[in-house]
Amino acid sequence: KAGVTQTPRYLIKTRGQQVTLSCSPISGHRSVSWYQQTPGQGLQFLFEYFSETQRNKGNFPGRFSGRQFSNSRSEMNVSTLELGDSALYLCASSLEFGNEQFFGPGTRLTVL
Amino acid sequence: QQPVQSPQAVILREGEDAVINCSSSKALYSVHWYRQKHGEAPVFLMILLKGGEQKGHEKISASFNEKKQQSSLYLTASQLSYSGTYFCGPNFGNEKLTFGTGTRLTIIP
Repeated sequence: KAGVTQTPRYLIKTRGQQVTLSCSPISGHRSVSWYQQTPGQGLQFLFEYFSETQRNKGNFPGRFSGRQFSNSRSEMNVSTLELGDSALYLCASSLEFGNEQFFGPGTRLTVL
Repeated sequence: QQPVQSPQAVILREGEDAVINCSSSKALYSVHWYRQKHGEAPVFLMILLKGGEQKGHEKISASFNEKKQQSSLYLTASQLSYSGTYFCGPNFGNEKLTFGTGTRLTIIP
């Protein structure tokens, strides 16, 4: 069974640009959660999707958005990038929220 | 709302025991525990549910005290492979895990 995949693995952007990150969950998993990981803040919840619906959102500005497609693949978008957005972005999939989450390798975003 | 984990870091010799605590200011519905090794993604360890049910698949135990809004992870006879950062992720009854800032565990031979 293939694991969670995330693309791209690394990204370098400049302030003001926008970026789209992609996550393919494990086959059969319908819940996808996104997290931002930074050294000082640990794992911060961004949002959770299930069957194309966002069911919960963390405390992030509206510049952070996401969506989920009918095949459960998910994307997150960050517009008007700021230096503080530099982080590792992790997605995790599960059969249903509340079950064991399987994390992808993450996308390392650097904003210059 | 972010849970507080203690200790923040601990160094143990192989074979020693460790306890990692996770305290919340809100009532807990369940608590997830994950371990992340350097440069890798977090890996599931255990879920503790309100009512005492425990789901996990490693030789690590945990407790969940609803009244104290606290969970503890117990690592006995630690092995070198236990090194990593441990995160607790309480769930407060919605589709969201609020992870703590982590406890860095280093096991030395």
